[in-house]
Amino acid sequence: SQKIEQNSEALNIQEGKTATLTCNYTNYSPAYLQWYRQDPGRGPVFLLLIRENEKEKRKERLKVTFDTTLKQSLFHITASQPADSATYLCALDPSGGANNLFFGTGTRLTVIP
Amino acid sequence: DVKVTQSSRYLVKRTGEKVFLECVQDMDHENMFWYRQDPGLGLRLIYFSYDVKMKEKGDIPEGYSVSREKKERFSLILESASTNQTSMYLCASSPRGGGAGTEAFFGQGTRLTVV
Repeated sequence: SQKIEQNSEALNIQEGKTATLTCNYTNYSPAYLQWYRQDPGRGPVFLLLIRENEKEKRKERLKVTFDTTLKQSLFHITASQPADSATYLCALDPSGGANNLFFGTGTRLTVIP
Repeated sequence: DVKVTQSSRYLVKRTGEKVFLECVQDMDHENMFWYRQDPGLGLRLIYFSYDVKMKEKGDIPEGYSVSREKKERFSLILESASTNQTSMYLCASSPRGGGAGTEAFFGQGTRLTVV
């Protein structure tokens, strides 16, 4: 069956350090992989998208890697801040048209001042 | 700014009631989705629609139906609410096509409690 796993339910990190979140998948061949941020009681907000033929994507303090051989994406937040505390979701898009996104269960990140 | 608006933030309904959750988007997106989100299970797709009057079942359609009479509006209907439908419901929309720019835009969510 199809499965998307995010490395842990919760991750605590000291302010200023780099947070690394993992998304592993099986039985998919995603055209795109997306990362979202979700704050408590809110809907997810899109952060970054990476294509299957891209190894790495950056946006400000965010970096995403995509290894289709390992079936894994890593999401990094450098120089983390308490405001980065949120749940982060990865989503696989098999078609590339966002007609159906398959979401992981999320990792709740807490950045400790 | 893309906006996806869900009609209610919080709802409390009784078992057996028919419940309507409304969602409106203002960006002329073709695709619209209804998810539910439960602790430890993540977002699960209930139904989606890629055009007016079109609908496709997602992973967990049982106990739900949908309606899309206008492009900007996608309604989720709980035919006879049950306690196991207590959840956070999220509506989303995305443009048809492919490539960058086809991310999903979510509403703020509706926390439904069935008692």
